[in-house]
Amino acid sequence: QKEVEQNSGPLSVPEGAIASLNCTYSDRGSQSFFWYRQYSGKSPELIMFIYSNGDKEDGRFTAQLNKASQYVSLLIRDSQPSDSATYLCAEDSSYKLIFGSGTRLLVRP
Amino acid sequence: DAGVTQSPTHLIKTRGQQVTLRCSPKSGHDTVSWYQQALGQGPQFIFQYYEEEERQRGNFPDRFSGHQFPNYSSELNVNALLLGDSALYLCASSVSTGFYGYTFGSGTRLTVV
Repeated sequence: QKEVEQNSGPLSVPEGAIASLNCTYSDRGSQSFFWYRQYSGKSPELIMFIYSNGDKEDGRFTAQLNKASQYVSLLIRDSQPSDSATYLCAEDSSYKLIFGSGTRLLVRP
Repeated sequence: DAGVTQSPTHLIKTRGQQVTLRCSPKSGHDTVSWYQQALGQGPQFIFQYYEEEERQRGNFPDRFSGHQFPNYSSELNVNALLLGDSALYLCASSVSTGFYGYTFGSGTRLTVV
């Protein structure tokens, strides 16, 4: 059974720092991944989609995919208190998303 | 451009009852997926509907059933509710042609007492 693993956190970083969030997956054949942000009591909001090895940048966010090591990461530069949320990593798997349990990020002012 | 709309936003039901949750997909989307998110967990895939049929199903019992209408909207039905069914139920819509990701609705918070 395919699995996506995330450290539940919380990960606490000071405002302006780089937050690094990680995710590992079990299926070596997995091709593409999503990062979603979820504020408490709200629905997941798409941040990034990555399907090739290497880095993908979008504003303050950089997603990294390493298929050989089976991990995906999300870097948030210049972290802001408004970035405080749970970050969900999801594997795109044949008509469905397989989510990790999420990492809670706290950005301290 | 309307996003994904779910109703109701909150619902309280008694154990053993039945519930129906509704979802209208984003304009231009023709595929609807349902997820269950328990507190502190990531969303778990229930099933996906495309062309009014269940295309794929996750590891959920038959008490969970669904429907998709010709206008692409969808319903999730849960029979014989258990306390463990208390969760946030999320609807996600997508396009069958090409891949542009999934858009989630704001969810229905179901509490079973």
